[in-house]
Amino acid sequence: AQTVTQSQPEMSVQEAETVTLSCTYDTSESDYYLFWYKQPPSRQMILVIRQEAYKQQNATENRFSVNFQKAAKSFSLKISDSQLGDAAMYFCAYNGVTGSRLTFGEGTQLTVNP
Amino acid sequence: GAVVSQHPSRVICKSGTSVKIECRSLDFQATTMFWYRQFPKKSLMLMATSNEGSKATYEQGVEKDKFLINHASLTLSTLTVTSAHPEDSSFYICGFKRGPGGSGNTIYFGEGSWLTVV
Repeated sequence: AQTVTQSQPEMSVQEAETVTLSCTYDTSESDYYLFWYKQPPSRQMILVIRQEAYKQQNATENRFSVNFQKAAKSFSLKISDSQLGDAAMYFCAYNGVTGSRLTFGEGTQLTVNP
Repeated sequence: GAVVSQHPSRVICKSGTSVKIECRSLDFQATTMFWYRQFPKKSLMLMATSNEGSKATYEQGVEKDKFLINHASLTLSTLTVTSAHPEDSSFYICGFKRGPGGSGNTIYFGEGSWLTVV
């Protein structure tokens, strides 16, 4: 079974600074998808960024980018120019190629200090 | 795009009664639907997966007779908590995976529903 590990239960960053959230995963599959979701206090799960494992190029979405290291099974999220609205719980997630199961990490609570 | 609507957002019910939570995809067709439960300050726990026209597949430890899932169409899924007990109080959230060719196995989530059983 696939597992996803987020080793940082809490992180904090100063507004306008950069922060990196860590994620590692374990799988025997060669093709899969990785995601970062954001869960603000409203509790809705919002997709931040997606990475296909077969793509070597790291995904980017505006201020959000990932460092995908397939051999190391690492998938970190970098948030640049942090904003107060970035404060939320961030979940790393894995889905296999069949898309039949999205497995989440335990989450990292991000605080943005003004 | 990829809007999923879930309601009610909050519901309070009496112990022993049943409550239904509805989840709709508003702008795409979903081949696979997921129901998750989330405890306070915890991650999302997958309860069951359903494909349109098929019975739901429940995760180990989830009672299928208690948590009834109906994947009525490509845009609608419902979760009914039957004979609710206080320990069923939780945050429930649905997720939809788009049909073939869409968004690489991305799952889009509803807003979630807070259930309180008194």
